[in-house]
Amino acid sequence: EAGVAQSPRYKIIEKRQSVAFWCNPISGHATLYWYQQILGQGPKLLIQFQNNGVVDDSQLPKDRFSAERLKGVDSTLKIQPAKLEDSAVYLCASSVQAPNTEAFFGQGTRLTVV
Amino acid sequence: GDSVTQMEGPVTLSEEAFLTINCTYTATGYPSLFWYVQYPGEGLQLLLKATKADDKGSNKGFEATYRKETTSFHLEKGSVQVSDSAVYFCALTRWGNNDMRFGAGTRLTVKP
Repeated sequence: EAGVAQSPRYKIIEKRQSVAFWCNPISGHATLYWYQQILGQGPKLLIQFQNNGVVDDSQLPKDRFSAERLKGVDSTLKIQPAKLEDSAVYLCASSVQAPNTEAFFGQGTRLTVV
Repeated sequence: GDSVTQMEGPVTLSEEAFLTINCTYTATGYPSLFWYVQYPGEGLQLLLKATKADDKGSNKGFEATYRKETTSFHLEKGSVQVSDSAVYFCALTRWGNNDMRFGAGTRLTVKP
């Protein structure tokens, strides 16, 4: 079974530039998550989709971050404009639509804003 | 809100030592509890889980028991190996929406 795919693996941009990350979840997984993991901290949920609808985006900085999941499969997360404090690993995860189930994670995209 | 608190690291042990990493949680309802492991340069992998009180999750020699009375889910292993060196995250999902919340992580280093 193929896992969660993310690209790119690494990205370096200057502050105020824009960047986009892509995620392809495990086939059949209705729920998709984007997490931000700052060095030395645990992952923090940015946004959760159920199919192509948003379940929770309460911790997404909406003035600069946006995410979409067209057709309920692939998802993109965008940052525009980037700030230095956005430097982190961005993790995508997916799970089946059922209670008490675990999320499966991709390898993440390491973003460095200089 | 729902949250997870892990013991602070880093933790350094000799091979074959006993491991305990403490995890306590605050949650409404009946969360499910998880331990994830992150090896260097890799993504998070599920290590074990428990979905109700008194359940014991186990995998690869690691164990954790869901203790509702103490709101804890401590990770244990009787004899660690160098290959267990990684960062360990305790996590919970909130009842009803599978929103997973993580602790800050505990870095374990096992020396030969």
